[in-house]
This record gives sequence, C-alpha cells and structure tokens, in this order.
Amino acid sequence: EIVMTQSPATLSVSPGERATLSCRASQSVSSNLAWYQQKPGQAPRLLIYGASTRATGIPARFSGSGSGTEFTLTISSLQSEDFAVYHCQQYHNWPQTFGQGTKVEIK
Amino acid sequence: QITLKESGPTLVKPTQTLTLTCTFSGFSLGDTGVGVGWIRQPPGKALEWLTLIYWDDDKRYSPSLESRLTLTKDTSKNQVVLSMTNMDPVDTGTYYCAHFVTMTILGEGYFDPWGQGTLVTVSS
Repeated sequence: EIVMTQSPATLSVSPGERATLSCRASQSVSSNLAWYQQKPGQAPRLLIYGASTRATGIPARFSGSGSGTEFTLTISSLQSEDFAVYHCQQYHNWPQTFGQGTKVEIK
Repeated sequence: QITLKESGPTLVKPTQTLTLTCTFSGFSLGDTGVGVGWIRQPPGKALEWLTLIYWDDDKRYSPSLESRLTLTKDTSKNQVVLSMTNMDPVDTGTYYCAHFVTMTILGEGYFDPWGQGTLVTVSS
C-alpha cells in the first residue's frame, strides 16, 4: 500500500498570503494524484487531478505541481473561503490512499 | 449536474451489519467508464477509501476491509448499496459515496463530486 504523507499538519497563513502544501508518496505515483478541499461539516471537493489539472470551476489561484513522489499544492493568495483542510489522494496503485490532511488556518 | 446522497442508519450496535444506500442523479452506472465509490472518515481523522463499483459491475475493495464489505448496484434505480458486517466502534465516522472518474488503465481515478456524507455511530 502506498502511504501518502502531508506536511505540515497545520499551516497558519494570513489572508492574501501564499500557502504551500506538500504531499509525499512512499513510492512513485507518476502524476496520478488528486487534491481535495474540505470545509468543516462538508464533503471533500475536488481541486486538482493529474497532479496539476484544475477541476472545473476551481479558481486559478489554486495550482498543483510535482510528479513521482513529491507534490505541492499552492494557493497563491489566500481568500477567506480557502481556510479548510486539504487532502491528497494517489490513484496509481490499488488501494487508492489519502494523506492525513493539512489544515490551513487563519494566522 | 451530478448529485449523490447517502442514506441509512445513524446508529448501529457492535457486531451488526451496516447497510448504506447511495442514490445519485446526473449520470448512469450503465455508462462506460463510470463508477461509484465509498470513502469514510472517522471524526477528526483522515479519509479512507473503502470500495468501488464500475459500470460493468467490476468491483474493488480495500484489502483491510474486503472480508466485511459487499457492494451492489441497481442501475434502474440509480443506486449503489454498501454493506459492512461485524461493525465495531472504530468504524464510527462519516461515510461518503462519490462519483468516480477512471483515469488509468488499471481503472484507478479520482472522486468528483461527493455526496454530503452520513454520520454512522457504532455503539451499544
């Protein structure tokens, strides 16, 4: 099973600042990686798939990069609605696995 | 527009079987390439993928839970039913169903969109 490790666990950022979230895979997942945003009491929402392709309706301030074992989600200028938990998911090997999440909180 | 909604009991006793139904609209499980998956999330913890069913009735199960899971679909009703046997308090959490998009030749992919989730508590 591929283990996905996200860092940091919590990221404190001021509105308007840049946020950089990391996701590391225990073995290569190529570009078969997705990012989800989850707000309190809500279901996850797809942000990025294929490591760097934004899902429909996702603002351009969200960008994904990386391949192999190292991935990054960048939020260029944090808006109030972006404070949430972010999860990465690999879909390269069965079983598909998620990271433990990074909480982005207001500084 | 694709929507999904989970339904089922909010409270089950230890050793009982949990049965959850995912009712969806905006797509058909008869369409090639389509799937529906189940993911759960214990309170305050990470997401855990459970199982997936494809349009052709092929299924995938989490190896750690495979012996306890059964997944069926009713294409005419636009429903997928998940059964999990021998429930334990550690199975407490929110259970989500989600539309699955196949991306690899092995049939893996991502989930979009998700249902609102249903909180299941396992307690005597």
